[in-house]
Amino acid sequence: DIQMTQSPSTLSASAGDRVTITCRASQSINRWLAWYQQKEGKAPKLLIYEASTLESGVPSRFSGSGSGTEFTLTIINVQPDDFGTYYCQQSYTYLYTFGQGTKLEIK
Amino acid sequence: EVQLVESGGGLVQPGGSLRLSCAASGFTLSHYALNWVRQSPGKGLEWVSYINWSSSAIYYADTVKGRFTVSRDNAKNGLYLQMNSLRVEDTAVYYCVREDYGMDVWGQGTTVTVAS
Repeated sequence: DIQMTQSPSTLSASAGDRVTITCRASQSINRWLAWYQQKEGKAPKLLIYEASTLESGVPSRFSGSGSGTEFTLTIINVQPDDFGTYYCQQSYTYLYTFGQGTKLEIK
Repeated sequence: EVQLVESGGGLVQPGGSLRLSCAASGFTLSHYALNWVRQSPGKGLEWVSYINWSSSAIYYADTVKGRFTVSRDNAKNGLYLQMNSLRVEDTAVYYCVREDYGMDVWGQGTTVTVAS
């Protein structure tokens, strides 16, 4: 199975900051990577697919980059509504796997 | 409104069985692949199973292979997960998820608790 490792595990930021979350795959997954945001008690929400394509309706302050084994999710001008846990997920193989999550706390 | 609604969760003893259902509305189910994803209390997301639009391609996580069976009925706009030989570690919220470009539509989840 392909292992997905996110860093950091937790992140604290103030409104207006720029934050970056990294996701590493244990083998190349080309650009078959998605990012999700989950708030407590709610279902996850798709933010980005195919590494860098923004899902419809997602604010442009979110962006994704990377290919192969290393990927990043960047949020510029962080807003209070951006708190929650972020997950990456590979779809290169049908044994899909998620990263362990990065919790973003707003100061 | 595009929506997925899960049902069938509950409390079951170890070794027992449960069948989850997922009802789709607002879109044509047969056009999409579907997944089950679960989340144990306080833990991260775990992909459980995938089924393509025609049921010709089905995959399972190693943790549930041989115990869980996914199926769909496009005519009834339904997705199902038959869970047998349940274990304590299967305790989780189970989400029904549509897959298009990414997992783009999620249900609200149904809670499965395996305990004696």
